[in-house]
Amino acid sequence: GAVVSQHPSWVICKSGTSVKIECRSLDFQATTMFWYRQFPKQSLMLMATSNEGSKATYEQGVEKDKFLINHASLTLSTLTVTSAHPEDSSFYICSAELPGSGNTIYFGEGSWLTVV
Amino acid sequence: GDSVTQMEGPVTLSEEAFLTINCTYTATGYPSLFWYVQYPGEGLQLLLKATKADDKGSNKGFEATYRKETTSFHLEKGSVQVSDSAVYFCALTQNQAGTALIFGKGTTLSVSS
Repeated sequence: GAVVSQHPSWVICKSGTSVKIECRSLDFQATTMFWYRQFPKQSLMLMATSNEGSKATYEQGVEKDKFLINHASLTLSTLTVTSAHPEDSSFYICSAELPGSGNTIYFGEGSWLTVV
Repeated sequence: GDSVTQMEGPVTLSEEAFLTINCTYTATGYPSLFWYVQYPGEGLQLLLKATKADDKGSNKGFEATYRKETTSFHLEKGSVQVSDSAVYFCALTQNQAGTALIFGKGTTLSVSS
């Protein structure tokens, strides 16, 4: 079946540095991908909707200059956490919509970010 | 806007007990409804879904029925196993391309032998 893959699964970075998380649709082309953030023992909060070839649509309260989203191809979207701080430590999950499927969405495995 | 409300957890059961996790939603039109499961340290896996009223989604012994009259999509399983211990999320989406899933807060299920 359709697969969405995230990389890296785990990343530790120092405060003030930037880290990039990749989300790939492995066997389908995804015009729309979604990025979520999940704090421990909490629900998934939608951060932004990423559309191939255009700017991402950010949810209210999400800093677009801090969480840079690029969807340069139909199989890859990237989330870059810029100038990371410990409060950015979280589980980040992407999902991709299968085109023409009636809004069928597949999730990546998630990426654990720890900022020290 | 659209929203999903799940029963508060954690839910603690003995093996072979009956499980119900309540989920209600608020949405315009006719959304699709989903249950996702998240095992410790992992991403989300689709458990089941229903796309229209009175549909019953089922998978791995779990089932849920789309009840439009009560705006509910309660998750049930007749006999839980230790391996069912996980966090369960109820979610909805409007049936439009490019529309994200909206999740409930999640319910933690712990099953002991």
